[in-house]
Amino acid sequence: DAGITQSPRHKVTETGTPVTLRCHQTENHRYMYWYRQDPGHGLRLIHYSYGVKDTDKGEVSDGYSVSRSKTEDFLLTLESATSSQTSVYFCAISEWEGFAYEQYFGPGTRLTVT
Amino acid sequence: SQKIEQNSEALNIQEGKTATLTCNYTNYSPAYLQWYRQDPGRGPVFLLLIRENEKEKRKERLKVTFDTTLKQSLFHITASQPADSATYLCALGGAGNQFYFGTGTSLTVIP
Repeated sequence: DAGITQSPRHKVTETGTPVTLRCHQTENHRYMYWYRQDPGHGLRLIHYSYGVKDTDKGEVSDGYSVSRSKTEDFLLTLESATSSQTSVYFCAISEWEGFAYEQYFGPGTRLTVT
Repeated sequence: SQKIEQNSEALNIQEGKTATLTCNYTNYSPAYLQWYRQDPGRGPVFLLLIRENEKEKRKERLKVTFDTTLKQSLFHITASQPADSATYLCALGGAGNQFYFGTGTSLTVIP
C-alpha cells in the first residue's frame, strides 16, 4: 500500500459522537486525500490537502473536517457522526508526475455509525 | 456536474478470453484518464494512465484506449486469468489534482 497506513481499520461508534480517522504516509508526497466509498456511488472525494495546513473541500465535505499539521499526517474528523456516514473511508496520496497525478491508496477504514 | 458510467456492474468471462470494460463520461474534458484495480477489502491500486492526446496505451496484458470525441475509454485484459478477477475503476483527471471515479465494474474470470 505504498507506505500509507490508516487507523483505526475498523470502528463502530454511536450517532452524535465525534470520530477522528488518521492517515499516515512515509512517501513525502505533497497531496493527500480522503474519500468515502459506498455501493452505487463509487469513490467520492471528501477533502484534500495540497500541503501542510493547506486543505480544500471535495464533493461530499458536509459534516467532515480535516487537518494537516505535518506532511505525513492527514486527519479526518466527523464532528457529530450520523448513520449516513457509515462507509468505508480511504486515504490516498499523490505527487505530480510531470503531466499527471497517480494516486496511491491506503487500506481503508470501515466505519459503522449505530 | 460530471458523470462517469462504467459498463454493467458485473462481467463474467471465460479464462483465456479478452475482457473489455467500458468507461463513458459526460460534462467533463479530462486531461487524462486512469484505471485502477480494487480487490475486496482493499484500496484501489493504480494500473494505467492515458493522456488526452494518446489513443492507446499498453502494459503487459493490459490495453487502454481513449476516445475524447466519444468521451469513452476501453480497458482490455487479454488472455484473462482467474487472478484478474477484481473490480476495476476508471478515474478522470484534469486541471488541478482532483479525480472523479466511476462506480466500477466487477470482473470474474471463470476457470
